[in-house]
Amino acid sequence: DAKTTQPPSMDCAEGRAANLPCNHSTISGNEYVYWYRQIHSQGPQYIIHGLKNNETNEMASLIITEDRKSSTLILPHATLRDTAVYYCIVRGWKTSYDKVIFGPGTSLSVIP
Amino acid sequence: ETGVTQTPRHLVMGMTNKKSLKCEQHLGHNAMYWYKQSAKKPLELMFVYSLEERVENNSVPSRFSPECPNSSHLFLHLHTLQPEDSALYLCASSQAQGSGNTIYFGEGSWLTVV
Repeated sequence: DAKTTQPPSMDCAEGRAANLPCNHSTISGNEYVYWYRQIHSQGPQYIIHGLKNNETNEMASLIITEDRKSSTLILPHATLRDTAVYYCIVRGWKTSYDKVIFGPGTSLSVIP
Repeated sequence: ETGVTQTPRHLVMGMTNKKSLKCEQHLGHNAMYWYKQSAKKPLELMFVYSLEERVENNSVPSRFSPECPNSSHLFLHLHTLQPEDSALYLCASSQAQGSGNTIYFGEGSWLTVV
């Protein structure tokens, strides 16, 4: 399974864009990049995913480099409620199921 | 609401007790997962059921016993636990095939072993 590397923590001013990087240099051609976030004491919440093209939804945008070795999650206008741990994961396909491994993630603090 | 419901949300049990955690998904998925999250640690994958068959067991002690009676329900039976087993236990579900299928998590069950 491809491993991901993220900075342990980041700060962002409220109202500004939060750009969270992720390195996944060993990603395989059929593996997707997924982003989740976990607010304290809650289950991880799905944010967005992509294969090779950039993606956008109501929560965030995902920018994947052309070589697919890294990606950036963008929260366009961060609010205090976006303070959470953000996980970048790569889906590892194994026989009949997906083996999803989480790393330590990035702890994002949105500052007033 | 993610479509994955876990009960109870909080559980306190003694080391000699037997209890169970329950998970139900309303998403029509056919793969279900148990994860453990200890304080300030990443999520650890414990068990995976795909099409009601256990396909992953990550060296989890036998005091944790999973059960998947059908594709919508998943249990984690707990017996003679240790204080270090206190953690957030998370259930998740997805479609069994295709790495493009999203995994959805429940809110978790907080377990305290005293």
